[in-house]
Amino acid sequence: GAVVSQHPSWVICKSGTSVKIECRSLDFQATTMFWYRQFPKQSLMLMATSNEGSKATYEQGVEKDKFLINHASLTLSTLTVTSAHPEDSSFYICSVNRNNEQFFGPGTRLTVL
Amino acid sequence: KQEVTQIPAALSVPEGENLVLNCSFTDSAIYNLQWFRQDPGKGLTSLLLIQSSQREQTSGRLNASLDKSSGRSTLYIAASQPGDSATYLCAVNEAAGNKLTFGGGTRVLVKP
Repeated sequence: GAVVSQHPSWVICKSGTSVKIECRSLDFQATTMFWYRQFPKQSLMLMATSNEGSKATYEQGVEKDKFLINHASLTLSTLTVTSAHPEDSSFYICSVNRNNEQFFGPGTRLTVL
Repeated sequence: KQEVTQIPAALSVPEGENLVLNCSFTDSAIYNLQWFRQDPGKGLTSLLLIQSSQREQTSGRLNASLDKSSGRSTLYIAASQPGDSATYLCAVNEAAGNKLTFGGGTRVLVKP
């Protein structure tokens, strides 16, 4: 499989602030990472595909200026929620694809007050 | 556009009973299908991966079947245990290394 970590596991912030979430591939180099969002009692929705060394590919309806993705190395992708608002409160999960099987991180719970 | 549906949305069974979870998808041109388990507030654990050319995969008490032509996959969990209580998600991958499309999940409760 693949081991994926996320940091922080949870974060509470005030409305208007920015929050950075890290996703690390611990045991292999990932040229592509995926960012998903999950609202309570709902399934996962893909937000964007993070590509090492190039721009992320965002899904329709996801604001790229609000959700900034940086894939600076083969083991780290970051998602920054800029000017966060209460409606951005959600569970954010990243994944990596290894041998065409996806492995997920433990997720980050974001609460915006 | 691929759509994935899971029925039922919730399931409650007594311990020891076999579980049958259903997943259907609208576009049969898939690359592979994955079944995941998610515990409350946690990430996803990959349970089984079925390639498009395969009919089934087995791991311990878990067995997943795939009928690509009819757009269906079924996850069987034999002799359920309270520790099997979780949400089970299926997801399809339409191309190698590509993103997943998820179903809504089935929330399972196994009563002791």
